[in-house]
Amino acid sequence: DVVMTQTPLSLSVTPGQPASISCKSSQSLLHSDGKTYLFWYLQKAGQSPQLLIHEVSRRFSGVPDRFSGSGSGTDFTLKISRVEAEDVGVYYCMQTIQLPHTFGQGTRLEIK
Amino acid sequence: QVQLVESGGGLVKPGGSLRLSCGASGFTFRDFYMSWVRQAPGKGLEYVSFISGSGTSIYYADSVKGRFTISRDNAKNSLYLEMNSLRAEDTAVYYCENVYYWGQGTLVTVSS
Repeated sequence: DVVMTQTPLSLSVTPGQPASISCKSSQSLLHSDGKTYLFWYLQKAGQSPQLLIHEVSRRFSGVPDRFSGSGSGTDFTLKISRVEAEDVGVYYCMQTIQLPHTFGQGTRLEIK
Repeated sequence: QVQLVESGGGLVKPGGSLRLSCGASGFTFRDFYMSWVRQAPGKGLEYVSFISGSGTSIYYADSVKGRFTISRDNAKNSLYLEMNSLRAEDTAVYYCENVYYWGQGTLVTVSS
């Protein structure tokens, strides 16, 4: 299985400040079709995960542009340019290049 | 708009059975592979099962292999998870997802 490792596991950020989460995979997520199958989700309290970023850097419909994704191969980063109160929750990365799809442990973001 | 709606969860005794359903709308269901993901109380996301759009390709996590059966009915835009020989460690919220969208989840509690 592809192991996904997120750091940090928790983050406390002042509103308006940036935040960054790292996700590393145990093998390359670059497919022979040229796409890289790395996704970022946010799970707010009591809700299901919602997609933020697909294929490393593509913002999903309706996702604010303060969220951005970058990386390649095995190293990926989710950045929030200016954290807002509504960004609180647990962030997960997920790979879909290989079954089983696997998730990072999750990064809990709280507001200072 | 896209909707995934799970149903069928509940309280069941160890060794019992449940059948989860996931109704899909707002997208061409047969064009998407579908998955079941579960989340034990207070824990992270665990990938359970996968089925291709046509239903011909299927995957199960080792933890459920031989006990759970995934299926789909593309004519009814529905996904199913038949769960047998349930154990306490199967207690979780079960989500259906197509990577881009997740349902709200259905809670399965296995307890005597």
